[in-house]
Amino acid sequence: TQLLEQSPQFLSIQEGENLTVYCNSSSVFSSLQWYRQEPGEGPVLLVTVVTGGEVKKLKRLTFQFGDARKDSSLHITAAQPGDTGLYLCAGVRRGGSQGNLIFGKGTKLSVKP
Amino acid sequence: DADVTQTPRNRITKTGKRIMLECSQTKGHDRMYWYRQDPGLGLRLIYYSFDVKDINKGEISDGYSVSRQAQAKFSLSLESAIPNQTALYFCATSDRVSNQPQHFGDGTRLSIL
Repeated sequence: TQLLEQSPQFLSIQEGENLTVYCNSSSVFSSLQWYRQEPGEGPVLLVTVVTGGEVKKLKRLTFQFGDARKDSSLHITAAQPGDTGLYLCAGVRRGGSQGNLIFGKGTKLSVKP
Repeated sequence: DADVTQTPRNRITKTGKRIMLECSQTKGHDRMYWYRQDPGLGLRLIYYSFDVKDINKGEISDGYSVSRQAQAKFSLSLESAIPNQTALYFCATSDRVSNQPQHFGDGTRLSIL
């Protein structure tokens, strides 16, 4: 059983559209991270959320941590081809070993011009 | 120059061979991590180190060993490689404030025949 479920697995949209990707779990997390990974490169950390209900914005990207700290979402407004990549959520379970980050399988986003 | 450098970037070898993957960083971070990434499984933690004298097993440490030779260097060894260790391997670092990887290298693609 995957501890962090990401949906959708794949998403293909046109430039200018909005989208939301989800990261869900039945476990409580002390923090959640979102990364973007492009082919041939390592993941790049986008944001860390630590407080239930927290919302963080990074230009056209909005990240939300659920009130119960079991889920998170990433919303992209007016997607651009440069947003194409694999989006990974990851977190440390509450009470889990420090340093042991659990990753979801990712959402592969393709934004067509 | 990259902040986190992995060598080699690609390696093809045979079953039973000893392999060492190297990671060096110029971030000045205390904490370093090794992950492997497999299609459909996401990133999984192999080992992590919070300082030079600290080594911790991750989710999938069997068949691997690590050495933290200095703050800037963290190497991963496969003592006797087997085909199911074929994967993309990532090294990552973080500072003392964060328990989670902040900067990833670009990966080593390892194929074991």
